[in-house]
Amino acid sequence: EAGVTQFPSHSVIEKGQTVTLRCDPISGHDNLYWYRRVMGKEIKFLLHFVKESKQDESGMPNNRFLAERTGGTYSTLKVQPAELEDSGVYFCASSQERRSWTYNEQFFGPGTRLTVL
Amino acid sequence: KNEVEQSPQNLTAQEGEFITINCSYSVGISALHWLQQHPGGGIVSLFMLSSGKKKHGRLIATINIQEKHSSLHITASHPRDSAVYICAVYTGANSKLTFGKGITLSVRP
Repeated sequence: EAGVTQFPSHSVIEKGQTVTLRCDPISGHDNLYWYRRVMGKEIKFLLHFVKESKQDESGMPNNRFLAERTGGTYSTLKVQPAELEDSGVYFCASSQERRSWTYNEQFFGPGTRLTVL
Repeated sequence: KNEVEQSPQNLTAQEGEFITINCSYSVGISALHWLQQHPGGGIVSLFMLSSGKKKHGRLIATINIQEKHSSLHITASHPRDSAVYICAVYTGANSKLTFGKGITLSVRP
C-alpha cells in the first residue's frame, strides 16, 4: 500500500511568488492534515480536512494560505504571495475515518521543504 | 511554555547503551504519538498509546496519564537509531496533534 506522498520535495521561490504544495493521502483515508515546522520550532497544526470539508483551519497563519481538497482525495496548499517567514517544512498526514471512541493513527508524508528568498 | 515538553533536547549515546527520552504535557490528552524523523527523511510513527506500555523490537513506550508523562526507551542502541524523536499528543474533541520540539539523538559506534 502506498503511503502519504507530497510534491514537490523541495521548493525555492522568491518573496512575492506563489507556490502550491500537493499531498496525496493514503487511499481511503478521509482525514487529511497539514502541519508546518519552521526552523527551530515545533511542528504546528495548520488545518484538517474530513473528505472535502475543512473540519478545522484554526492553525492557518493568514489569508495568504489557501488549502483545498476537491473531491476528497488529494489536497493542495497554496501560498500567495509567499513571505520570508513562510519558509519551513510542510508536512501532510492522513488517517482513516475517526471512530468516536478512539483516535486513529496519523500517517505522515515526507514533507515539502519550502525556502522563500 | 509549550504544552508538550521533551527532554533532554539533545542526546548522545554510545552504541549498545540503554536510552530514555522523556515527554511531559500540560493538557488533558486522549492519546500520544511517538514519532521518528531521520535526517532528510520523513516522519514515521513509532507508537500511538493512551495507557500502559507498548513494545516493538528494541523500542518500548510507556505512558502515565495521571502524571502526564511518557517515556520512549531504546534498548541496545545502534547508530541507525540516530534521529529526531518527537512526542505529539491528541487533545480535546478534535484529532489534531500538538507537538513537542523533538530531541536529536546521536548514537556513536
